Amino acid sequence: EAQVTQNPRYLITVTGKKLTVTCSQNMNHEYMSWYRQDPGLGLRQIYYSMNVEVTDKGDVPEGYKVSRKEKRNFPLILESPSPNQTSLYFCASSLYWTGDQPQHFGDGTRLSIL
Amino acid sequence: AQKVTQAQTEISVVEKEDVTLDCVYETRDTTYYLFWYKQPPSGELVFLIRRNSFDEQNEISGRYSWNFQKSTSSFNFTITASQVVDSAVYFCALSEASSGNTPLVFGKGTRLSVIA
Repeated sequence: EAQVTQNPRYLITVTGKKLTVTCSQNMNHEYMSWYRQDPGLGLRQIYYSMNVEVTDKGDVPEGYKVSRKEKRNFPLILESPSPNQTSLYFCASSLYWTGDQPQHFGDGTRLSIL
Repeated sequence: AQKVTQAQTEISVVEKEDVTLDCVYETRDTTYYLFWYKQPPSGELVFLIRRNSFDEQNEISGRYSWNFQKSTSSFNFTITASQVVDSAVYFCALSEASSGNTPLVFGKGTRLSVIA
């Protein structure tokens, strides 16, 4: 089954404790992206990757890191999480980024930073 | 800059009523794509439809229909004979044609509650 898989689905942690949210897709997609969803703000892009080894900042990258060493994986790293990073996070992928490709989303990761 | 406005924050309807979700967009590009996504209470995002800027034909899929009007920069979504399972947050989104990164720009969503 074609899918984008995120782990964990839920995480409660404390300020400053490094964490990684994994994202993996099995559709051989070139483009991957991370979004965060906050009440009243909709979804905003954090980072994206056009292809392996190419990543760049989205609209709200502060406090996050990513890497794209393999096509299928695109982990999101919070080196020193803070409470303002409490949010619902989505990983997404599409075959290419030409604007017309629907993005396939993972089921989301709900992070609570205390 | 691209922008999507969903003016309706929340809508409640009684089952079997028709309901229209509004979406107004802004872009400077002549080639762009519009999307609707559904987010049910379980939280995942489900792709519903994509429309490109050169295709203004309305589309119908079962009880769902979409009205794209470039003259008013709108891409409205109508659910006919709503059902409780339609209860969800619906997002309209826009992307511009590009070889570089143009992220999906989402509206803030409309929460639809269908009451039995």
